[in-house]
This record gives sequence, structure tokens and C-alpha cells, in this order.
Amino acid sequence: SAVISQKPSRDICQRGTSLTIQCQVDSQVTMMFWYRQQPGQSLTLIATANQGSEATYESGFVIDKFPISRPNLTFSTLTVSNMSPEDSSIYLCSATDRGLTQYFGPGTRLLVL
Amino acid sequence: GENVEQHPSTLSVQEGDSAVIKCTYSDSASNYFPWYKQELGKGPQLIIDIRSNVGEKKDQRIAVTLNKTAKHFSLHITETQPEDSAVYFCAARVNDYKLSFGAGTTVTVRA
Repeated sequence: SAVISQKPSRDICQRGTSLTIQCQVDSQVTMMFWYRQQPGQSLTLIATANQGSEATYESGFVIDKFPISRPNLTFSTLTVSNMSPEDSSIYLCSATDRGLTQYFGPGTRLLVL
Repeated sequence: GENVEQHPSTLSVQEGDSAVIKCTYSDSASNYFPWYKQELGKGPQLIIDIRSNVGEKKDQRIAVTLNKTAKHFSLHITETQPEDSAVYFCAARVNDYKLSFGAGTTVTVRA
């Protein structure tokens, strides 16, 4: 199995600022993903983080708002740009191992004031 | 895309009783069905999964069944304990490796 860590675990930010969330996996994984989970809701896929190339975004999410990097097989970042209170949410990093089993990190709890 | 429906949204059971959560999916090409448990303040934890070539899988008190013809799969928890209280999510995956999640079931085990 893959163990995933995220930093920061939580943050409170002012509107108009940006926050970068880091995701580290303890082993090489095939695919990495970023999800958003609004309070009391299910998980919504933001994008697939591709190693060495631009991320693949889902409908409703754009690169200018959520730039993503994946410089190697075990690390990815998600930036939430020009934040507004509507961006308050839990952001989850996820990865699949070679058997395509998908694991999740502990999440980053973001509150935008 | 894949659409996953999950029922019930909330489930309260007496400790020691069984809990059953059901999910249906829309895309017959879906081939992987994981279940996640999410406790308050934590990320989703994979508890069991099943692939489309298997009808049932069991791990101690947890079992999952899959009916490909009817396009539904279920999570069964036997002898429930207070630590089983959490939100449970089902999911389905088609060949592009993206998971589609159900809306979640909040399970409360009464002592």
C-alpha cells in the first residue's frame, strides 16, 4: 500500500491570497489525483497530476485557479489561487499503486475568510 | 461519465447488529469497486475493494458483493462496533482510472 502525507494539514487564509498544498507518497505510484470535498459532501475530482506535463482537469476546474505540479513519481503540489470563501473545503491528494488500488492522504482543511 | 448512487444516506444500528449499504452504477464498463471509510477529520481509508471478475469478497467483519447484471454492489458489516461509526463511500472506476464516488452514508453504531 501507499502512505500519503500532505502539508499543511489545515490553514486559514485571507481572500485574494494563494495557498500551495504539498503531497508526498512513500513509494513510486502510477497516478496521482487531487480531490475537493466540501463540508458534508462527497469527493469531487479536480485533476489528474501528470508527471512532467500539464495536469488533466475535470469539467469546472481550470489551471489558472488550481495550478498543479508533479515533478517526479512521488510528489505533487496543488495551488489554490486568488482564494474566496467558496474555496473553503478539504483538499485531498490521492495515488494509485501498481495494482491500481487508490489511496488517499489525510487532507488539507482550508478556511478562507 | 459514470454515475454512482448510494443508499441510505444515514444508517443507525445497534451495536452487534449488521449494517448494509447499497450502491448502483451506470456504466457497464466499470471494473473496480472500492469502499472507503472516512472518520471525522481524516482522509478516506480504503477498507475493501472488489473487481468485476469476482462476485463476493470478505475480510473479517466486512464483505462486499457485486451483481454486474444489475449493476449494483453492497457493503456488509457484521457484528458492528462503536468504532465502525463513520462516513462510508462507495466508488466505481471505468478504464480511465478515475473513480466516481457515491454521496456517502453516515453510519452510527449505538452502544
